[in-house]
Amino acid sequence: QVQLQESGPGLLSPSQTLSLTCTVSGGSVSSAGYFWTWIRQPAGKGLEWIGRIRPDGSTNYNPSLKSRVTISLDTLKNQFSLKLSSVTAADTAVYYCARDALGSGANYLWGQGTLVTVSS
Amino acid sequence: QTVVTQEPSFSVSPGGTVTLTCGLSSGSVSTTHYPSWYQQTPGQAPRTLIYTTYTRSSGVPDRFSGSILGNKAALTITGAQADDESDYYCVLYMGSGIWVFGGGTKLTVL
Repeated sequence: QVQLQESGPGLLSPSQTLSLTCTVSGGSVSSAGYFWTWIRQPAGKGLEWIGRIRPDGSTNYNPSLKSRVTISLDTLKNQFSLKLSSVTAADTAVYYCARDALGSGANYLWGQGTLVTVSS
Repeated sequence: QTVVTQEPSFSVSPGGTVTLTCGLSSGSVSTTHYPSWYQQTPGQAPRTLIYTTYTRSSGVPDRFSGSILGNKAALTITGAQADDESDYYCVLYMGSGIWVFGGGTKLTVL
């Protein structure tokens, strides 16, 4: 079955760029009809939708983060990635990658999440 | 910006029925918002319960059901069990490829 696994640095300094990768196993990021999504959750708070990418490379981003976010695909490595620039302490959160299918709304298949802390 | 609203907390007795709701700060929720629901216990990734308003995700017991009640999306849990004590989140599609989560409801079973 399809599994997703996040990876990346767990500690960043303010103003740096957050870079996370989601490795997909048991399926292909090139498969038509799927969205590959990033979601985050600050400690003790709710979920926040960051954005998503389709296999054709088209993206949608949370308007509140759009100026700082880039989501991309690496079909050779079967991964998709998140970059968030100019981070501050407010970007400290558990970051989840997820997959959902076209026509199924937000029937997310979730990764286990990875904690990113922004601290000087 | 439109805010997705959920009850901050709710409680239910074991064996009882509870309905959690998901609304909009402005306007009504309909099936065109494709409401979905997630369950999350501390330290764990969320689990998808319901998507596109009514459809249960694979392996989700039929004690969980989704609907539209009035101007909100709703998640109903019947025969509540101790391990239903969790945080529950909804998400709504806002158009133009954008999704927005609600703030979540902390459900206590006591």
